[in-house]
Amino acid sequence: EPEVTQTPSHQVTQMGQEVILRCVPISNHLYFYWYRQILGQKVEFLVSFYNNEISEKSEIFDDQFSVERPDGSNFTLKIRSTKLEDSAMYFCASRGGTSAYNEQFFGPGTRLTVL
Amino acid sequence: TQLLEQSPQFLSIQEGENLTVYCNSSSVFSSLQWYRQEPGEGPVLLVTVVTGGEVKKLKRLTFQFGDARKDSSLHITAAQPGDTGLYLCAGGGFNKFYFGSGTKLNVKP
Repeated sequence: EPEVTQTPSHQVTQMGQEVILRCVPISNHLYFYWYRQILGQKVEFLVSFYNNEISEKSEIFDDQFSVERPDGSNFTLKIRSTKLEDSAMYFCASRGGTSAYNEQFFGPGTRLTVL
Repeated sequence: TQLLEQSPQFLSIQEGENLTVYCNSSSVFSSLQWYRQEPGEGPVLLVTVVTGGEVKKLKRLTFQFGDARKDSSLHITAAQPGDTGLYLCAGGGFNKFYFGSGTKLNVKP
């Protein structure tokens, strides 16, 4: 069964460092999303992406964040200068179509720890 | 920001009992999803409801979307220990989803 994969599973970094979180969406999907979940809190939408452009972003997704689809398979989230409060689980999701019934498939997440 | 409030936050019941989890908002959603999330994993979709008043059944789980498309409920009949987990509702349009804070369910054998 096709699945969304994410690497690394756990990333530890120092405050101020740049991190890149990687996702491989399901191969025939065209709509991609990043979410984060701070420990014990709700899943929060960060950004959606289609046709090499950001479709929508939340107020969390400030200038420190960027997304890219560098090739035909990867979808990345970059945080330029990490802050302590960026520590969270980051989930990538992909979706195959525009119908409300098209399921969002989530990856297993990357746990980011900023020290 | 569209907020989704889930209740209860925590629920601990005995195997065989029935339960209902609620998801409420002051905003209208074009669709609403229910997910289940296991510790250390991403959410897994259980169901999507789109039409006001829609009822969907998934084995012992019954999902209902409110007539005004602002609220939803998840009812589990004869809960089993395997139902233990975090249940999340999420609503929104196609490009953006808002998640509720979740209901942590524990079913004791």
